[in-house]
Amino acid sequence: DVKVTQSSRYLVKRTGEKVFLECVQDMDHENMFWYRQDPGLGLRLIYFSYDVKMKEKGDIPEGYSVSREKKERFSLILESASTNQTSMYLCASSPSRQFFGPGTRLTVL
Amino acid sequence: QQQVKQSPQSLIVQKGGISIINCAYENTAFDYFPWYQQFPGKGPALLIAIRPDVSEKKEGRFTISFNKSAKQFSLHIMDSQPGDSATYFCAASKDGGTSYGKLTFGQGTILTVHP
Repeated sequence: DVKVTQSSRYLVKRTGEKVFLECVQDMDHENMFWYRQDPGLGLRLIYFSYDVKMKEKGDIPEGYSVSREKKERFSLILESASTNQTSMYLCASSPSRQFFGPGTRLTVL
Repeated sequence: QQQVKQSPQSLIVQKGGISIINCAYENTAFDYFPWYQQFPGKGPALLIAIRPDVSEKKEGRFTISFNKSAKQFSLHIMDSQPGDSATYFCAASKDGGTSYGKLTFGQGTILTVHP
C-alpha cells in the first residue's frame, strides 16, 4: 500500500511564526503536491514538485514556499504565518493518480 | 477563478436512494476527470475516473456520466448506503492524468445517507 505521511495532524502557531509542514511518501513517486482544503472552496493547489529540487507554483502560492531535497520528502513552509492561513493542509504524491496523506489542521492565532 | 464548479454543496439521501453530484468545467483542454471520496479525518482517495472518449463508466454502485458538449460530468451512487456518507470531490486534469497528475478540484459535496 502506498503511504503518504504528514508530520502533524494538528498544529497551533502564532501569527508571524515560521511554520514547517513535512510530507513523506514511501513509493518512490516523482510528483508531490501541497493543497489547502477550505469549506466551500475544495482543494486548492499551493505548490507541486515533479523532481528533486524542482518546484512549480500552483494556484495559490502567495505566502508559501516549498523544499524538496530528497525524492521522498516535500516540505511546505509558511515564512510568516497569518490568520488567513488557518486551514487543512493536504500532501499528495503520484506517478499519475494522486495518493493523499491524512492532512494537517493548522490553526494560526 | 474556479475552473471546475461542483453542486450541490451538501446532499441528504435515504438509504437505498440514488445520490447525484454534478460538476461543470470550463477548460476544454481537460481530458481526465476523477472523483475522490474523503471520510472525516482522512485524506481524499480516488473513487472512479473517466476520460472524454467514453460517455459513461461504471464501477459497482458508482457511475460517472460524461457530457463533452455540455462540459459536464456527474457521479451517481446507486443504492446509497450510510457507509457512503463522506465528502466527494470532482476534479479535472489536462495532461491525461498521466504526467504531472496536476488536478483542479471542485468545491466538494458533503453526502449524508440516512439509514
